[in-house]
Amino acid sequence: KNEVEQSPQNLTAQEGEFITINCSYSVGISALHWLQQHPGGGIVSLFMLSSGKKKHGRLIATINIQEKHSSLHITASHPRDSAVYICAGGYQGAQKLVFGQGTRLTINP
Amino acid sequence: EAQVTQNPRYLITVTGKKLTVTCSQNMNHEYMSWYRQDPGLGLRQIYYSMNVEVTDKGDVPEGYKVSRKEKRNFPLILESPSPNQTSLYFCASSARKLTGVNTEAFFGQGTRLTVV
Repeated sequence: KNEVEQSPQNLTAQEGEFITINCSYSVGISALHWLQQHPGGGIVSLFMLSSGKKKHGRLIATINIQEKHSSLHITASHPRDSAVYICAGGYQGAQKLVFGQGTRLTINP
Repeated sequence: EAQVTQNPRYLITVTGKKLTVTCSQNMNHEYMSWYRQDPGLGLRQIYYSMNVEVTDKGDVPEGYKVSRKEKRNFPLILESPSPNQTSLYFCASSARKLTGVNTEAFFGQGTRLTVV
């Protein structure tokens, strides 16, 4: 079993739809990062969560520590949101991230 | 502007010819890492550094070397590249440990390496 698992692997939606990407992670992971990778390949950090919820613009990230589950939501989705979204877990005491396989999101106009 | 700069962005080389991919950050970060990204395998850590002269292996260190002589630079060295090192490489830095409160990881733009 992978340490970080994402679903779905691919997601296509129409502009304006509410998007949810899910991430489950293993025991020992104490921090969860959400990253965005655009078609050009560059990676941008969106959120880092160890508890609760964070919001930035149309993006919302939540984490449930008991269930070891995190979600990334995009409200009022737009074609420019099309990218690969990656969740990555950090283990307490370790200096590395373990990555999910990514979710390829396509928003059609 | 806060950034992590990798060079080169693209590189095609031949088996066995030593190469270095440079990584530099301008945020005075202590922590730096190298990752490789391969289809179906995702991103995996190669090496990391927690400060100058402090480096350690990640999950896939074979065939790679690193050095951290200065805080801002963390070059990745392939002494004798082989085709299985064809990949997309990312350098990343952070001010604190990646499990620290509100720690953000900053990534370089990536280096696409092809070894023929």
